[in-house]
Amino acid sequence: EVVLTQSPASLSLSPGDRATLSCRASQSVGSYLAWYQLKPGQAPRLLIFDSSHRATGIPPRFSGSGSGTDFTLSISSLEPEDFAIYYCQQRSNWPPVFTFGPGTKVEIK
Amino acid sequence: QVTLRESGPALVKPTQTLTLTCTFSGFSLSTIGMCVNWIRQPPGKPLEWLARIDWDDDKYYITSLMTRLAISKDTSKNQVVLTLSNMDPVDTATYYCARGDIFFDFWGQGMLVTVSS
Repeated sequence: EVVLTQSPASLSLSPGDRATLSCRASQSVGSYLAWYQLKPGQAPRLLIFDSSHRATGIPPRFSGSGSGTDFTLSISSLEPEDFAIYYCQQRSNWPPVFTFGPGTKVEIK
Repeated sequence: QVTLRESGPALVKPTQTLTLTCTFSGFSLSTIGMCVNWIRQPPGKPLEWLARIDWDDDKYYITSLMTRLAISKDTSKNQVVLTLSNMDPVDTATYYCARGDIFFDFWGQGMLVTVSS
């Protein structure tokens, strides 16, 4: 089973700052990596799929990169609504089994 | 417009079987390539994928819970049902249904299920 680790566990930043979140896989997942944003009481929101493709309606301040085992989610300039928990996720080829990372909490400094 | 909504009991007793229903709109599970998943998040813990059902009725489960889980669909009603048997307090979590085969593009709001006597 592919294990995903995320760092840092939490990030304390101010609006306007740049956020850089890391996700590392225990073995190569190719480009099959997605990023989600979770806020209390809301449905999780897909931000990035296939490592670097923004989902529909996601603003360009969100960007993803990486392949193989190392991936990054960047938020170029934090808006107040971006303070949330972010998870990475991968799908194994066969059988299709999905795993999530432990999350990175982006909080207001 | 794609929407998904979870429904079921908010409270179950230990050893009981949990039955959750995902009612969706905006797509059909008879469409080739469509898949619906169940994912949960215990309080303070990360997301955990549980199960997936495909348009052709193929089913996949997380290995650790495979003996307790069952997923099914009613295409005519646009519903997917998840059952989790022998519930335990560690199964207390917010349960989500979500659409997708590699990643999850639409999610329900989730529902908190508490296991307590």
